[in-house]
Amino acid sequence: TQLLEQSPQFLSIQEGENLTVYCNSSSVFSSLQWYRQEPGEGPVLLVTVVTGGEVKKLKRLTFQFGDARKDSSLHITAAQPGDTGLYLCAGAGVYQGGKLIFGQGTELSVKP
Amino acid sequence: GAVVSQHPSWVICKSGTSVKIECRSLDFQATTMFWYRQFPKQSLMLMATSNEGSKATYEQGVEKDKFLINHASLTLSTLTVTSAHPEDSSFYICSARTPGLGNQPQHFGDGTRLSIL
Repeated sequence: TQLLEQSPQFLSIQEGENLTVYCNSSSVFSSLQWYRQEPGEGPVLLVTVVTGGEVKKLKRLTFQFGDARKDSSLHITAAQPGDTGLYLCAGAGVYQGGKLIFGQGTELSVKP
Repeated sequence: GAVVSQHPSWVICKSGTSVKIECRSLDFQATTMFWYRQFPKQSLMLMATSNEGSKATYEQGVEKDKFLINHASLTLSTLTVTSAHPEDSSFYICSARTPGLGNQPQHFGDGTRLSIL
């Protein structure tokens, strides 16, 4: 069974601070997706990383896929209160027919 | 693009009622849709994979007679919670995978909050 360990599960920081969220697995993924979810809504796709070592940037968010495609990180620079939400990583297994394996999620709170 | 619509967004009903939730891909065809359940402050738990024109594939521990899935067209999948009880209260979310080869992402509906009294 493929597992995706996401950490930290809770993070409370002040506006302007930087943070990093990690997702790790012992399994290889064909791709890894990051989502952000607000209360009462569905997850919204932020990025998909596919190639080992790939780095993608989305404004103040930087996503990295590990060289072996077993891990990924999300780094937020100068966090703002609008970044508050639940961040989810999800990996697509090599032979899983499109199913996603979700991490436990990171509940981020950015205080002004 | 890649919009997924889920309806209703909120349901409150009495114990024993059956509740149907619809999931539609609005601007693309989806041969595969997924149904998830989510508890407060937790991640998504996959319940089943819905395949157009064939039977759904359920995850271990999910009762197929309790959670009926129908995927009759390329843009619509439905989840029916039969004879719902308070323990079925949860946030149910569907997703659809955009067509194409390779690593197509899943796009999610806005979820349905189900409250059983």
